[in-house]
Amino acid sequence: GQNIDQPTEMTATEGAIVQINCTYQTSGFNGLFWYQQHAGEAPTFLSYNVLDGLEEKGRFSSFLSRSKGYSYLLLKELQMKDSASYLCAVRYMDSNYQLIWGAGTKLIIKP
Amino acid sequence: DGGITQSPKYLFRKEGQNVTLSCEQNLNHDAMYWYRQDPGQGLRLIYYSQIVNDFQKGDIAEGYSVSREKKESFPLTVTSAQKNPTAFYLCASRGVLGTGDGNTIYFGEGSWLTVV
Repeated sequence: GQNIDQPTEMTATEGAIVQINCTYQTSGFNGLFWYQQHAGEAPTFLSYNVLDGLEEKGRFSSFLSRSKGYSYLLLKELQMKDSASYLCAVRYMDSNYQLIWGAGTKLIIKP
Repeated sequence: DGGITQSPKYLFRKEGQNVTLSCEQNLNHDAMYWYRQDPGQGLRLIYYSQIVNDFQKGDIAEGYSVSREKKESFPLTVTSAQKNPTAFYLCASRGVLGTGDGNTIYFGEGSWLTVV
């Protein structure tokens, strides 16, 4: 199967930095996505990685290593509004390009 | 404004009843999707459609049906055959693969379905 693994829950302090990891099976890989989802709301797009390296977008950055089947989402200068679930999803060629979703990481920000 | 509109936001279903969730998009996207989300689980694909008048089963299609008569619309019917339908349902769409818009899936606001 094509399992996407990410931690269930993480806690961090306002103003700090947190890194959320995601691992996946590499065969047929065609792109990795990060989405943010606040409780009771729809997911919103954060980032897309298809090549190795770091993509920076303001306070959020996403890293990809295709050979290791590994990605992380880095959130800097954490704010209370960053409390949400962060979903990692991978697109595979042999799944007709559909996304396979991880269960999400619930991030709790404390003052 | 361009986007995806789902309705209703909240819906209650009685045992043995079929209900239909509406999804409309004005993004001119070809591909549309229905996902189900349960607590502690990833999004699971119910059905998807890549073009008008064509759709494919996802991982958990049993007890659900869809239609794609228009590009803008992709309604989902939850039938009485779906034994555990209480969940958060998300409709989504995507542009053409290989274009800038093809690498992002956009979601509607979701519909909460509860069996009473």
